[in-house]
Formats: sequence, structure tokens, C-alpha cells
Amino acid sequence: EVQLLESGGGLVQPGGSLRLSCAASGFSFSSYALGWVRQTPGMGLEWVSAITGRSEATYYADSVKGRFTVARDSSKNTLYLQMDSLRAEDTAVYFCAKEISGSGSYYGALDSWGQGALVSVSS
Amino acid sequence: QSALTQPASVSGSPGQSITISCTGTSSNVGSYKFVSWYQQHPGKAPKLMIYDVTKRPSGVSNRFSGSKSGNTASLIISGLQAEDEADYYCSSFTSTNTFVFGTGTEVTVL
Repeated sequence: EVQLLESGGGLVQPGGSLRLSCAASGFSFSSYALGWVRQTPGMGLEWVSAITGRSEATYYADSVKGRFTVARDSSKNTLYLQMDSLRAEDTAVYFCAKEISGSGSYYGALDSWGQGALVSVSS
Repeated sequence: QSALTQPASVSGSPGQSITISCTGTSSNVGSYKFVSWYQQHPGKAPKLMIYDVTKRPSGVSNRFSGSKSGNTASLIISGLQAEDEADYYCSSFTSTNTFVFGTGTEVTVL
């Protein structure tokens, strides 16, 4: 059974940093691209970032480009999202999710999701 | 990229069919087959219902189907059931190598 478990969320001041982790199990970690999607409470989904299976390529939404960095560690089966220069508008629940295709490429078809980690940016 | 446009709400009676539209541009929906649909119940993570415009993941009911014409993708739910009441989001690959979600549609079963 595929499991994705996010951690590292919390309250941070504007301009601060936070690193989210997503521990993965139940599938061949390096064979699947992974992504991050966020959702403001009561609002819609926003695509944030993605990384291919062997880290050949990374992708970012314009709203986080230059501030967020996605990475993965195959030795720990863990996905990361380093978030710097945080703003109030980054407040959201952050989900990690797995691509359905086992090719390692990212096509945006996310078939398994974590439960989400809440990030609050406020002074 | 601006969010794809979906109707805020769609409703239907049990057993009926409903269609949710997802309108984008030639820079996203109109040019790529990487269109997906997600179902989200309150307090839960999204669930993939359709990908690559028309494909259904294993375990998803065949009452759910997808199509695309020009810049608009559609999710069709046939034989509407009470458990289908949820929020639905489309997403698409874009010309800038990013992805964009739709504004979301609340489905109500009357």
C-alpha cells in the first residue's frame, strides 16, 4: 500500500523559512515523479512544484519560483520542499502526491496523496 | 498561468448524468493531453478520477468519464449517486512546463 506522510508544517513569521518532508513507502521510490500541491483552507487547489523520479528535472509555479526548492533523497525515500522568504499568501495545507506513471516523468496525474501539512505564515 | 475556469456548482438528482466543464486556453487544455480530474470530499485529500483526458485509474467507477474539445475539457458523471457529492477540480499541463488547476466545482446530489 502506497503511503505518503508529510511533516514539518507549523507557524512561521513572514520572511522566514520552513522545510516540509514527505516520507514515502509502498512503491519503488525512484521510479515515480512526485509533486507538491497546496490548498488554502476553504479554497481551491494550487499546483506548487514537482520533481522527476531520479531528480533529472524540477518544476515550480511562478508564485514560488526562486523561493521554494524541491528535492528528494532516495536513500531515505523522502521528498522535501524547502520554503524560504515565506509570505502570508503561502499559508495553506501542503500535500505531497505521487505520479501515476512509473516512467519517472511528471505528467501531473497524481494518484496517491498524503494527508497534508499546515503551514501558517503570520507575525 | 490563471486558473482554469469551472462552474462554481453543478447539481443533479440520483441516477442523472451531469457534466462539469473546464475551460482553459491554447496554452494549456487546448494543446496537451495531460488533463486530469480530481474529486475531493471535505477534510480529505484529493482523489484522481481521470487522467490524460480520458483514462480512468484502477478502482475508479466507470460512471466517471472525460473528454476534451478545443480549449474545454469535461468530466461526465453518469448514474449520479449520493457519494458523488464532493468538490471536483481539473488540472492541465501548460506551455511553461507548469501545471494549473481549475477553480473547482461543488457537485450537489439533490
